[in-house]
Amino acid sequence: DAGVIQSPRHEVTEMGQEVTLRCKPISGHDYLFWYRQTMMRGLELLIYFNNNVPIDDSGMPEDRFSAKMPNASFSTLKIQPSEPRDSAVYFCASSDENLAKNIQYFGAGTRLSVL
Amino acid sequence: AQKVTQAQTEISVVEKEDVTLDCVYETRDTTYYLFWYKQPPSGELVFLIRRNSFDEQNEISGRYSWNFQKSTSSFNFTITASQVVDSAVYFCALAQGGGADGLTFGKGTHLIIQP
Repeated sequence: DAGVIQSPRHEVTEMGQEVTLRCKPISGHDYLFWYRQTMMRGLELLIYFNNNVPIDDSGMPEDRFSAKMPNASFSTLKIQPSEPRDSAVYFCASSDENLAKNIQYFGAGTRLSVL
Repeated sequence: AQKVTQAQTEISVVEKEDVTLDCVYETRDTTYYLFWYKQPPSGELVFLIRRNSFDEQNEISGRYSWNFQKSTSSFNFTITASQVVDSAVYFCALAQGGGADGLTFGKGTHLIIQP
């Protein structure tokens, strides 16, 4: 079975540009999580969804960040406008109580560089 | 608030040595889940183990073993007869409640296995 799929794997953009990161969770999983990894702050939860509904977005750093999950197989994390301090690796993960016993399986991540 | 502390930032051992990675957690919940993930140099996050707060049995999987002690709020990870392929950053993480919430990660321990 395919795991969590994230695209793009690498993104380089200039300050002020809009960035959209994409995630396809494992089929059948009903939870989807977005995390950010930086050297300074480590791995941080940004937001998570259950059955496509945002449950906790308290980790979203600013209004410049937004996340959507229009259906069970797709989610986006958008940064507008982007800033150099947004440079990080962004991970998407999915889980399910029944299929995966709430074990979160991670995608390969998107490495974002904002110049 | 919950917190995970991995006091060992970096550990370096020679191949075939045993090594223990420490993890101490804080939570007010009586029900919670603990996890270990491995992040090899390629960057992905690989699930290793999940343990709930009601199961203090130690677990062994091949060269890996985990020691969960609620009395000291610790969930330590031991690699026996380490191999170069074990070189990675290892993260301990905590999920409160039923385990479906987002993970709180420790800062990680960078394990270097020298040949």
